[in-house]
Amino acid sequence: QSALTQPPSASGSPGQSVTISCAGASSDVGAYNYVSWYQQYPGKAPKLMIYEVTKRPSGVPDRFSGSKSGNTASLTVSGLQAEDEADYYCSSYAGSNGYVFGTGTQVTVL
Amino acid sequence: EVQLVESGGGLVQPGGSLRLSCAASGFTFSDRWMTWVRQAPGKGLEWVANIKGDGSKKNYVDSVKGRFTISRDNTKNSLYLQMNSLRAEDTAVYYCAREFWGPECWGQGTMLTVSS
Repeated sequence: QSALTQPPSASGSPGQSVTISCAGASSDVGAYNYVSWYQQYPGKAPKLMIYEVTKRPSGVPDRFSGSKSGNTASLTVSGLQAEDEADYYCSSYAGSNGYVFGTGTQVTVL
Repeated sequence: EVQLVESGGGLVQPGGSLRLSCAASGFTFSDRWMTWVRQAPGKGLEWVANIKGDGSKKNYVDSVKGRFTISRDNTKNSLYLQMNSLRAEDTAVYYCAREFWGPECWGQGTMLTVSS
């Protein structure tokens, strides 16, 4: 049950795009199409932004998109806005081991 | 509207016990897997345990196996986490969440501090 690997930080100017990677293993990210992404502001609960690799819950802007290739998933935020500055976490279903989260990425809007 | 409200956190001495509760509303509680996730101060998210809608299946992260027990009472729309043999490293905000192939809707969290 090792944590998924994310870059500690990412940044971009308003209007630009930023992509966050989430590296797992053949037993979690690579095995299932059940990768989710969460946005978390300081002191607040996480919010689901992407589920089942590419799907967006109602109310999440289409600026947020997800993808997966092999054992690595990615979250792309297009048209960066100041409100996108937050921590982002990926998670993956891991079968009998339940779920595993990523190490988290702090996104800064320059 | 889905609502999840955790309670029961507090300060506990190492080796002590505590039970967290999560009151659910706004959906058919018994139909859904539920999960506990924790976040140590300044750290990332860690999945802790989950339980099937009818309570028949439970899973735990290795670090809490044998110490924590997840349970639910579908007549009260409530989820629980019984925590025994608590350690300093269990100090965290504990969130309950409804699952949909991953934590979906989250509560606001309850803080557990394990310290002497």
